[in-house]
Amino acid sequence: DAKTTQPPSMDCAEGRAANLPCNHSTISGNEYVYWYRQIHSQGPQYIIHGLKNNETNEMASLIITEDRKSSTLILPHATLRDTAVYYCIVRVSNTGNQFYFGTGTSLTVIP
Amino acid sequence: DTEVTQTPKHLVMGMTNKKSLKCEQHMGHRAMYWYKQKAKKPPELMFVYSYEKLSINESVPSRFSPECPNSSLLNLHLHALQPEDSALYLCASNGPGGRDSPLHFGNGTRLTVT
Repeated sequence: DAKTTQPPSMDCAEGRAANLPCNHSTISGNEYVYWYRQIHSQGPQYIIHGLKNNETNEMASLIITEDRKSSTLILPHATLRDTAVYYCIVRVSNTGNQFYFGTGTSLTVIP
Repeated sequence: DTEVTQTPKHLVMGMTNKKSLKCEQHMGHRAMYWYKQKAKKPPELMFVYSYEKLSINESVPSRFSPECPNSSLLNLHLHALQPEDSALYLCASNGPGGRDSPLHFGNGTRLTVT
C-alpha cells in the first residue's frame, strides 16, 4: 500500500542542512505529500505537508518537483534532537482517510 | 505532550485475557485511526473511523475489535491475542478541516502478549 520510497538511512553534520529525499512516482493529481518524524518510543510527529507548491514552516521546508513524482524535506540547521526516523507519506485520495507510511529514513545528526 | 492521549502506556496480557486500549482527543476531530507498529518497522494502518462510523478495516483479525463510542473516544478491544501481536499501538485523529488535514498521533500503548 505504501506509495513512497526513501533511502533507509542518512547522516548529517550538526548545524548543516539535512536534505531527505522521497520518491512518489505514482502520486495522483490531488494527493498530498506529508512528512512525519518519529523519535524512539514516541508517536509520529507531524512536520509539514504540500500538494504542488513548495512549503515552509518553523520546522522545515518541503520542495516538490514540478511533475510531483518526488519531494525533499529540508531541515535547514540540523541539531542532535533532529535524530529520528523520517517518514514521507502520500495520502490516498479516494476516501481521504488513508495515510500509508513508507519505510522511512533513519537520520543521524553527528556532532 | 500530545493532544491525543492513549492509555495505558504499557500493557502486558496473557493469550486468554481480554483487555482494551483507549484513546481520547478533544480537538474536535471527526476521524480517528488505529495503527500497529512492530519494532524497527513503519506504522501499519488497522482501522479508520469517520464521524463515529467504521470506514476502513485493513483486513485486521477479529481478535482486534474497534469501537468509537463518541467523536472524542476510540477503543481497541483485545481478545485471544498471540505473542506476535506484541507491538506499539498508535492512535491518531484528524479533520474535518479540509482534505489535507494532517494526522495527530498519541504516544502509543506498548503491548506485550505472553
